[in-house]
Amino acid sequence: EAQVTQNPRYLITVTGKKLTVTCSQNMNHEYMSWYRQDPGLGLRQIYYSMNVEVTDKGDVPEGYKVSRKEKRNFPLILESPSPNQTSLYFCASSYRGDRAGYGYTFGSGTRLTVV
Amino acid sequence: GESVGLHLPTLSVQEGDNSIINCAYSNSASDYFIWYKQESGKGPQFIIDIRSNMDKRQGQRVTVLLNKTVKHLSLQIAATQPGDSAVYFCAENANIKAAGNKLTFGGGTRVLVKP
Repeated sequence: EAQVTQNPRYLITVTGKKLTVTCSQNMNHEYMSWYRQDPGLGLRQIYYSMNVEVTDKGDVPEGYKVSRKEKRNFPLILESPSPNQTSLYFCASSYRGDRAGYGYTFGSGTRLTVV
Repeated sequence: GESVGLHLPTLSVQEGDNSIINCAYSNSASDYFIWYKQESGKGPQFIIDIRSNMDKRQGQRVTVLLNKTVKHLSLQIAATQPGDSAVYFCAENANIKAAGNKLTFGGGTRVLVKP
């Protein structure tokens, strides 16, 4: 089944403790992206990657890091989480814009709480 | 399930009636638009898309209308069913070559279907 898999689904952590949220897709998509979703603010892009070893900042990148060492994986790293990073996170993937089917496939989300 | 938004505009619809969800976009350079559906506890799911060289596109029970003059997008759902209860997001893609597949999302509309 074609899908984007995120782990964990739920995570509660303490301020300052480094964490990684994993994302993997099995559709051979070039493009991957991380979004956070907050009440009243919709989905905002954190980082994106257009291909292996190519990453760039989205609209709200502060406090986050990403890497794209393999085509299928795009982990989101919080080096020193803070309470304002409490949110619902989504990973998404798609083909590049010059191919058919621009729409994203989203993962099921990771609910992160930083206390 | 996850709460995706506490301050969303809400559309209450009687089962069997048609629903119309509206979205205003801001970037006149946007050339690709997508509607997503997000059910509680899940990631957004692709419903239908439309390119800027079209005014209307139909899918199964759904129709998207694009009015570029006033930068307005709408999603029409025919014969709304209880399973249509969800949050609906529009998304726009501007200047694909510069930023790959970056989508900018609207704030979302909650649709509640009354039996």
